[in-house]
Amino acid sequence: GNSVTQMEGPVTLSEEAFLTINCTYTATGYPSLFWYVQYPGEGLQLLLKATKADDKGSNKGFEATYRKETTSFHLEKGSVQVSDSAVYFCTPTQGGSEKLVFGKGTKLTVNP
Amino acid sequence: GAGVSQSPRYKVAKRGQDVALRCDPISGHVSLFWYQQALGQGPEFLTYFQNEAQLDKSGLPSDRFFAERPEGSVSTLKIQRTQQEDSAVYLCASSNRDRGNTIYFGEGSWLTVV
Repeated sequence: GNSVTQMEGPVTLSEEAFLTINCTYTATGYPSLFWYVQYPGEGLQLLLKATKADDKGSNKGFEATYRKETTSFHLEKGSVQVSDSAVYFCTPTQGGSEKLVFGKGTKLTVNP
Repeated sequence: GAGVSQSPRYKVAKRGQDVALRCDPISGHVSLFWYQQALGQGPEFLTYFQNEAQLDKSGLPSDRFFAERPEGSVSTLKIQRTQQEDSAVYLCASSNRDRGNTIYFGEGSWLTVV
């Protein structure tokens, strides 16, 4: 089945720093790719998504591009805020289905 | 409703008790998923429904776990004879089914088995 590898956390940054969270996946078939965010004590929220190669998903200043040749979907933000502190999950769908495959996530802490 | 609603939000159960967790998906959503998230871990898939049909239950950890969605809307996850390792957040999610569609998650039911 499909799987995902995210960079190990925790990641600690100062406000306005540049963020990259690496994500690579293994897949049979052609998955859709998502980044979900989980704020403390809350459920998962969709941050952005891409459904085909070279698509760029973007939201709230975050971006990620679906790279089929490198099987990657790295998350970037040019200037992080304290409110971005959360756990971030990169998730491909499983095979030809909608089922999402989660890794451990990357915890981001942004300090003022 | 406006979002996926789960109840109870918090449940403390004594070991050996049965628990039932309810999920109200977004109105009209065909697909419904249950995930289990242990502390500090990512969500693990439990089971998937398309309308009332349970198409995938490969993630249910044991026969103590049972899920149903009899009318294709509300779903219940039942855990019999709870054990301490069942302590986790149980997340329900729903979508319109099409590949690439957004899957919307509820806030979860936090189960603690003592």
